[in-house]
Amino acid sequence: DAGVTQSPTHLIKTRGQQVTLRCSPKSGHDTVSWYQQALGQGPQFIFQYYEEEERQRGNFPDRFSGHQFPNYSSELNVNALLLGDSALYLCASSYVGTGWSEAFFGQGTRLTVV
Amino acid sequence: QKEVEQNSGPLSVPEGAIASLNCTYSDRGSQSFFWYRQYSGKSPELIMSIYSNGDKEDGRFTAQLNKASQYVSLLIRDSQPSDSATYLCAVKGYGGSQGNLIFGKGTKLSVKP
Repeated sequence: DAGVTQSPTHLIKTRGQQVTLRCSPKSGHDTVSWYQQALGQGPQFIFQYYEEEERQRGNFPDRFSGHQFPNYSSELNVNALLLGDSALYLCASSYVGTGWSEAFFGQGTRLTVV
Repeated sequence: QKEVEQNSGPLSVPEGAIASLNCTYSDRGSQSFFWYRQYSGKSPELIMSIYSNGDKEDGRFTAQLNKASQYVSLLIRDSQPSDSATYLCAVKGYGGSQGNLIFGKGTKLSVKP
């Protein structure tokens, strides 16, 4: 049973550039949430996608956007990168049938902005 | 602002001892609580979920929930060096925020051989 997979695992970008991160949810899951984890902090919720729509959003600027595809996979896009965007980006999948009761994380994408 | 508070540690225990990790949360309406384990440089791994007051045991792990005190804890019995990691407490939003997990900053646990 394939778990949550993310790509790429590591990425280095320059300030002002744009980046796209990808996530495939666990088999049987239909919902994808994205989190940002800065060093020494807990993950912070960016947004959640269900039925190809942004269902809920955390306190992140519009530079952060996303998309969900019919196969439930998802992308996170970040425009006009800032040094402060350097973090571990985590994708979590869950299933509406359980009330999104448990979320499972992918291995993460380590983004470094220089 | 909904908050989850954890002692950042580090918490150091000898091998074979009981490690006790604590968490408090601010939103009295919260219903679902989770413990994740995160090894250095890795992603969080779900180890326990708890929804009702009382204790829930799974192997060497016991989660305890007291909604009246807004307090969640995780006990690890017979601690092993492989348990050395950061433990994240997470609380799930409800109503319109059901998809949102609110995390504490984590407690770093070190188990000494």
